[in-house]
Amino acid sequence: DTAVSQTPKYLVTQMGNDKSIKCEQNLGHDTMYWYKQDSKKFLKIMFSYNNKELIINETVPNRFSPKSPDKAHLNLHINSLELGDSAVYFCASSQIWRGAGDTQYFGPGTRLTVL
Amino acid sequence: AQTVTQSQPEMSVQEAETVTLSCTYDTSESDYYLFWYKQPPSRQMILVIRQEAYKQQNATENRFSVNFQKAAKSFSLKISDSQLGDAAMYFCAYRSNQGGSEKLVFGKGMKLTVNP
Repeated sequence: DTAVSQTPKYLVTQMGNDKSIKCEQNLGHDTMYWYKQDSKKFLKIMFSYNNKELIINETVPNRFSPKSPDKAHLNLHINSLELGDSAVYFCASSQIWRGAGDTQYFGPGTRLTVL
Repeated sequence: AQTVTQSQPEMSVQEAETVTLSCTYDTSESDYYLFWYKQPPSRQMILVIRQEAYKQQNATENRFSVNFQKAAKSFSLKISDSQLGDAAMYFCAYRSNQGGSEKLVFGKGMKLTVNP
């Protein structure tokens, strides 16, 4: 019954590898997001998709590529991982219209460690 | 660009006491949302309370209430009857209501310790 789920919850990998994080929401929301939380706990938006269309793309290295196969899924693929990519990555979802309240609901996060 | 400032990195409170967490923000917009999220050690981001800028009435959720001062761009969170389970990082966040800007802009967070 998890509203927003992410897999995996932990990911340990070597520099230079390519990895993916998957996100699924069962709330029927039309918008999904990726946020990055750094080692100082600061949270920052990376991407946002509305109905499978990219609507927010912050200044993120192009090694990061989001993919939304449908409204319920938003995956994050990272190429050529670097030490600085180590962080917790959160997926979130919301319904973007005032009547729905527009609150963003977060997944449990994926802790990525690059060695 | 909007910014959110949480000036106190850490606070502590005695169990059953009341504590207020401060947050200020900067924006030129008039229509927006404000949120407080809680992140316990489990790292799950949990919504505590939300406030629509067009509503003058301060939001309340059980022991949690806000003091929203739109002109001063201030959005503080009051936790009454603090419980051990309230210990967490607390993040203040701003969300524009302009199309294409629906991201959350977070403050740096504040660590709350609850002492028994």
